[in-house]
Amino acid sequence: DAEITQSPRHKITETGRQVTLACHQTWNHNNMFWYRQDLGHGLRLIHYSYGVQDTNKGEVSDGYSVSRSNTEDLPLTLESAASSQTSVYFCASSEGQGLEQYFGPGTRLTVT
Amino acid sequence: QKEVEQDPGPLSVPEGAIVSLNCTYSNSAFQYFMWYRQYSRKGPELLMYTYSSGNKEDGRFTAQVDKSSKYISLFIRDSQPSDSATYLCAMSEGNTGFQKLVFGTGTRLLVSP
Repeated sequence: DAEITQSPRHKITETGRQVTLACHQTWNHNNMFWYRQDLGHGLRLIHYSYGVQDTNKGEVSDGYSVSRSNTEDLPLTLESAASSQTSVYFCASSEGQGLEQYFGPGTRLTVT
Repeated sequence: QKEVEQDPGPLSVPEGAIVSLNCTYSNSAFQYFMWYRQYSRKGPELLMYTYSSGNKEDGRFTAQVDKSSKYISLFIRDSQPSDSATYLCAMSEGNTGFQKLVFGTGTRLLVSP
């Protein structure tokens, strides 16, 4: 069955370190997204991609970057982790206009 | 003011009750309205998807959109303990090309046996 996976599922890192969260989907979807979920804010879009070599900033993109070298993967990099980036991160993918999005299981990141 | 407002709950009901979950929004350009269900420590999963105003039914679930009031609802009939989860509404303008989803903060629902 097609699926979307994220790794690691849990990560603890120190302030200032670079961190990369992996996202892999086997749906063969063109669109991929990264969100963060925090109490009181819900899901907020960090970056998204329409396809290979395409990336776009979402509403909370500062301090994050992505690159898309193939259809299946969209890694999210925190250039210099900050305590404000402690959150649960979800990757999602979709076809078409992106309205029906399929989410991964999430990565819980703690920055100390 | 947030574009989409949703009461965080928790909403506690006994098994078999009818549940009403609601969202209000401020952007009159929203045309697509979705409900996602999220179990604890899992990713959200799409429950229902409606376009513009009106009702849509799927089994025990009914989604209702009132664009004149900027108000959407999800009704769950004969609620079950397995319905205990956080319910997120999401909306989009839905123009050509990708349009981002705007999510509510979610309402936590607890259904007791």
